[in-house]
Formats: sequence, C-alpha cells, structure tokens
Amino acid sequence: EIVLTQSPGTLSLSPGERATLSCRASQSVSSSYLAWYQQKPGQAPRLLIYGASSRATGIPDRFSGSGSGTDFTLTISRLEPEDFAVYYCQQYGSSRITFGQGTRLEIK
Amino acid sequence: QVQLVESGGGVVQPGRSLRLSCAASGFTFSSYGMHWVRQAPGKGLEWVAVISYDGSNKYYADSVKGRFTISRDNSKNTLYLQMNSLRAEDTAVYYCAKVRLLLPNDAFDIWGQGTMVTVSS
Repeated sequence: EIVLTQSPGTLSLSPGERATLSCRASQSVSSSYLAWYQQKPGQAPRLLIYGASSRATGIPDRFSGSGSGTDFTLTISRLEPEDFAVYYCQQYGSSRITFGQGTRLEIK
Repeated sequence: QVQLVESGGGVVQPGRSLRLSCAASGFTFSSYGMHWVRQAPGKGLEWVAVISYDGSNKYYADSVKGRFTISRDNSKNTLYLQMNSLRAEDTAVYYCAKVRLLLPNDAFDIWGQGTMVTVSS
C-alpha cells in the first residue's frame, strides 16, 4: 500500500498570500496518478487537480499542481476567503487507493 | 445534472449488517467505475472499495475485506455497499464517488453528499 504523508498538518495564512501544500508518497506513484481534493465542513470533497498537474473542470487557475515520482505539491497562488478548507492528496495508480491525512488551511 | 445520492445509513449494533445504496443520474452509469469512500467523525478520507463499470472487478481496503461487498445494478443506475459484521470503527460518513473518465484508474470527479453510519450498542 502506498502511504501518502501531507505537510504541514495545519497552515495558517492570510487572504492574498500564497499557499504551498506538500504530499510525499512512500513509493513512486505510477503515471503521476495523483489528485488533490478540497473539503469544506459538512461537504463532500471536491476534485481540484488530477494527473498531478491538470485542473479539474471549473477550478480557478490560482490552483496548480506539480511533482512526480514521490513528491507532489499543490499551490494556491493568491488565497481567496473561500479557499480556507482541508486539502487531501490521493493516489489512484494502484488497485488500493490511498489518501493523505490532510492539510488544514486556516485563516491567520 | 450529474448527481449521486446515497441512502441507507443509520444506527446499527455491532455485529449487525447494513446495506448502503447510491443512486446515480445525469450520466451513463454503466460506463464508469465507482468507489466507496468513508470518513470517520473528525478524521480524514479512507478509501473503501471499487467496482469496475461492468461489475467484473472489485477491490477492497484491507480494513473491510471479507466483511463488505460492493456491487452494482446497471439497469437501476445504482451502486451498493453491503456491510456485514459491523464494528465501532466502521462508524463514518460513507460517500460514493464516480471516476472522472472511462479509465481503470482515475480521480473522483463526482461525489455524493454522504450517508452516516453509526455502529453502537
């Protein structure tokens, strides 16, 4: 099973700042089958990024993903008030899918 | 519009069974692999199971293997999760999710609203 470790656990920033979230895999993620999701309280997760760097439909271009192999990054270029939420990475390259433990992005 | 609606959650005693359903609409259900994902209260996301578009392939998380069974009825556009021998640690919101494209491996682009399962005596 591929273990995904996200850092930091909590990130405190202000609107307008840049956010950088990390996701490290215990082994290489095949074909960059790495996704990022956003979850707000009481809501289902929302797909932001798939294939490590492709934005899902309707996702603003301030969200970007990068990385390959075992190290991946989600960057939010300029935080909007609605961006404060929990973010999860997910690998879907193996038959047993795994998620990271999440990064909570909170308003400073 | 594309929609997934879960049902069947509730409070159940340890050792008992429960069946969850996920009704799909707005897309060709029979063409897409489908997943169940759960989230314990205050915790992160845990993948539970996947079923291929035609039901021929199924995979499970180790934590539920042998107790849970994923299935689908393409004629009814419905996904199921049969949960047997339930434990307290199965308490969670259960989400069904659709894969993005017609590929064996893909991200989840549509999620249901979730149904809560509480295992307690």
